[in-house]
Amino acid sequence: DVKVTQSSRYLVKRTGEKVFLECVQDMDHENMFWYRQDPGLGLRLIYFSYDVKMKEKGDIPEGYSVSREKKERFSLILESASTNQTSMYLCASRRAGMGQETQYFGPGTRLLVL
Amino acid sequence: SQQGEEDPQALSIQEGENATMNCSYKTSINNLQWYRQNSGRGLVHLILIRSNEREKHSGRLRVTLDTSKKSSSLLITASRAADTASYFCATALGGNNRLAFGKGNQVVVIP
Repeated sequence: DVKVTQSSRYLVKRTGEKVFLECVQDMDHENMFWYRQDPGLGLRLIYFSYDVKMKEKGDIPEGYSVSREKKERFSLILESASTNQTSMYLCASRRAGMGQETQYFGPGTRLLVL
Repeated sequence: SQQGEEDPQALSIQEGENATMNCSYKTSINNLQWYRQNSGRGLVHLILIRSNEREKHSGRLRVTLDTSKKSSSLLITASRAADTASYFCATALGGNNRLAFGKGNQVVVIP
C-alpha cells in the first residue's frame, strides 16, 4: 500500500513564525501536491511538483513556498505565518504517466495560527 | 480553479438506504474521480471513470458519467454507518497532472 505521511497532525504557531510542513511518500512517486482545505471551499491546490527540484504554482500560492530536494519528500513553507493561513493542509502523491491518475493523500495537518 | 460541483451538499439517510450524489463540471475532462474523506482525515480514492466510459461499478459503488451534460453521479447502495463521510468529485483536465476538486458532499448514515 502507498503510504503518505505528514510530520504533524496538529500544529499551533504564532503570527510571523516560519512554519515547515513535511510530507513523505514511500512509493517512489514522481508527482507530489500540497492542498489546503477550508469549510465551504473544498480543496485548493497550493503547489505541486512533477519531480525532484521541480515545482509549479497551483491556484493559491501566495504566502507559501515549497521544497523538493529528494523524491520522497515535499515540504510546504509558510515564510511568515498569518491567521488566514489557519487551515487543514493535505499532501498527496501520484505516479507520473498515463493510467496513473489516482492521488494518494496523507492524513492532513491541522494548522492554527494565533 | 474550482471545477467539480457536488449536489446535494449534505445528505442524511438511514442505514440500508441508497445514497446518490451528483457532480457537474464545466470543461472537457480526461477522467473523473470520486474520493471519500472521513472526519479530520485525508482523502481516499474510491473510483475513477474515464471520459469514454458511461458507467462503472466497484463493490457497493456505482458511478455514471454523462459527458454531454458534463455530470457524474455516485451511488452507494445498502449504506452502512461506516459510509458516513464527505465525498468529493475531482476532474482531471487536459495533459497536466492536476485534479480540480469539488466542494464536497457530506453524507451521514444513521444506524
